[in-house]
Amino acid sequence: EVQLAESGGGLVEPGGSLRLSCAASGFRFSDYSMNWVRQGPGKGLQWIASVSTSSADKYYADSVKGRFTISRDNAQNALHLQMDTLRVEDTGLYYCVREDDPGDFDHWGQGTLVTVSS
Amino acid sequence: QSVLTQPPSASGTPGQRVTISCSGGGSDIGTNYVNWYQQLPGTAPKLLIYKNNYRPSGVPDRFSGSKSGTSASLAISGLQSVDEGDYYCAAWGNNVNGPVFGGGTKLTVL
Repeated sequence: EVQLAESGGGLVEPGGSLRLSCAASGFRFSDYSMNWVRQGPGKGLQWIASVSTSSADKYYADSVKGRFTISRDNAQNALHLQMDTLRVEDTGLYYCVREDDPGDFDHWGQGTLVTVSS
Repeated sequence: QSVLTQPPSASGTPGQRVTISCSGGGSDIGTNYVNWYQQLPGTAPKLLIYKNNYRPSGVPDRFSGSKSGTSASLAISGLQSVDEGDYYCAAWGNNVNGPVFGGGTKLTVL
């Protein structure tokens, strides 16, 4: 069974940093591109970042480019998101998502909550 | 402001057929597949329809998708109370190297 378990969320002040992690199990992690998608309070879904199987390709939404860094460790079956210079508008539930074919997000974690507030 | 446009709400009675629309442009829906995600209250999103009209294993055939030009729609037949939740369309965005989502449609079963 595919499982994705996020961790690392919490309360942080504007301008601060946070590192999210996602532990993957139940599938060959190194065979799939991985993504982060966030959902603001009472809002819709927003794709944040993606990383290819070998980490050769990384893409970011304009809203986080230059502030967030996605990475993966295939030996540890782990996905990470380093978030720097956080803003109030970065508040939300962050989902770790497996990508089957390009754009097909076939498995989602339960999310980890990030709150940016002073 | 979401890239794809969906109605904020939809409703129907048990057994009815409802449709949810999704409108985009030439750089997303017009040139790429459309996926639909279902998010039931308090849960993570789940892939409901992929590549316009395919259902992942376990998704009932009451759910179907279609696409024409720069628009797509999700149809739910034989509406059930367990279908209440939010539905999101998504398509690859050629300009962003990632998927773009609709703002979501809240489905209420009356």
